Amino acid sequence: GAVVSQHPSRVICKSGTSVKIECRSLDFQATTMFWYRQFPKQSLMLMATSNEGSKATYEQGVEKDKFLINHASLTLSTLTVTSAHPEDSSFYICSARGDQDYEQYFGPGTRLTVT
Amino acid sequence: GQNIDQPTEMTATEGAIVQINCTYQTSGFNGLFWYQQHAGEAPTFLSYNVLDGLEEKGRFSSFLSRSKGYSYLLLKELQMKDSASYLCAVGDSNYQLIWGAGTKLIIKP
Repeated sequence: GAVVSQHPSRVICKSGTSVKIECRSLDFQATTMFWYRQFPKQSLMLMATSNEGSKATYEQGVEKDKFLINHASLTLSTLTVTSAHPEDSSFYICSARGDQDYEQYFGPGTRLTVT
Repeated sequence: GQNIDQPTEMTATEGAIVQINCTYQTSGFNGLFWYQQHAGEAPTFLSYNVLDGLEEKGRFSSFLSRSKGYSYLLLKELQMKDSASYLCAVGDSNYQLIWGAGTKLIIKP
């Protein structure tokens, strides 16, 4: 149980375009979803926390207008990287947590390359 | 402030035992997690400690001392596939996970 999927697993886009990444909890209701970014050889960096039906809470330094997060249902959250630039190239990982739960279940990650 | 410390890198020999330490100072404590992350992959859950003591799960064990703000992950009978980064994370008072920078474990034959 507690499976989280992410799509796509890899994406290459041109500078200036937007990319949407989906995160789904397949067998549980995710009241909270988290979006992380990880650059090579660095630790996970939390970008934002989203609760179903409400606006995401962004970490300091993360531009909310550039990284649009939608958590419209208990099983789906999306991250849209708008007007992507090469410096946005990174490994984006989502995780999900059920109600009354501490553990976060991670998706497999999405590797974004902006050319 | 919130702080989690763990060694950056460790090296061990196949078949041996290795202990990865983690110390923490956080606002609130709702348990300590250990995750394993292979290069290019997402983290996978290893263990969760909320009470003091040792939790054993196969070749992996995790220990917690809340009074000392200290945990360790013990890996026995090391295998080459154990080469990975090991992330220590603490649940704070808002149920967020505060992440350590991770310990890269290199296993040599």
